Amino acid sequence: KQEVTQIPAALSVPEGENLVLNCSFTDSAIYNLQWFRQDPGKGLTSLLLIQSSQREQTSGRLNASLDKSSGRSTLYIAASQPGDSATYLCAVYNNAGNMLTFGGGTRLMVKP
Amino acid sequence: EAQVTQNPRYLITVTGKKLTVTCSQNMNHEYMSWYRQDPGLGLRQIYYSMNVEVTDKGDVPEGYKVSRKEKRNFPLILESPSPNQTSLYFCASSKRTGTGNYGYTFGSGTRLTVV
Repeated sequence: KQEVTQIPAALSVPEGENLVLNCSFTDSAIYNLQWFRQDPGKGLTSLLLIQSSQREQTSGRLNASLDKSSGRSTLYIAASQPGDSATYLCAVYNNAGNMLTFGGGTRLMVKP
Repeated sequence: EAQVTQNPRYLITVTGKKLTVTCSQNMNHEYMSWYRQDPGLGLRQIYYSMNVEVTDKGDVPEGYKVSRKEKRNFPLILESPSPNQTSLYFCASSKRTGTGNYGYTFGSGTRLTVV
């Protein structure tokens, strides 16, 4: 059964820092990988989708990479801002492409 | 605006009283699914549907029912709610390509409390 782990579980940084969030998965036979952001008590907002044939995706200050062979993905946030404070979730698609398995999330706080 | 709409946003009910949480999407997505989110357990899939009249169990289906009579709607039914079903529920939808799902869109969530 696929297991997804996110490290660290929580992170507090001063505004302006570049930071990296990590996601690892046990079964490398994945279809896609998607990063989400969740604000407290709110829904999930999609940040980046990386297809299995891709190595990375970029959107603004966000860059996500995928290394299927090692079972890892990273989310890089450049020049962090207080508005980036949220929980970041990594979700792996199973090989059939019909199910998501989520990591436990990284709770990020960016201090002004 | 492309979106997944869940109702209600908040619900407090009593043990055993049947309830339905509605979910509707306006993106013509074939795939829809329900998740629950609990502290320390993360997001877990309850049921999913690959298309109209096609549904299947996820990881935690006990105590739940679903139906998919129309493409846009995927209601979650709790026939006899119990306190252990107190949770934050999310509906999601996704486009299907030839080989799998492409990009999930989530609703804003339904916070259910069963007393």
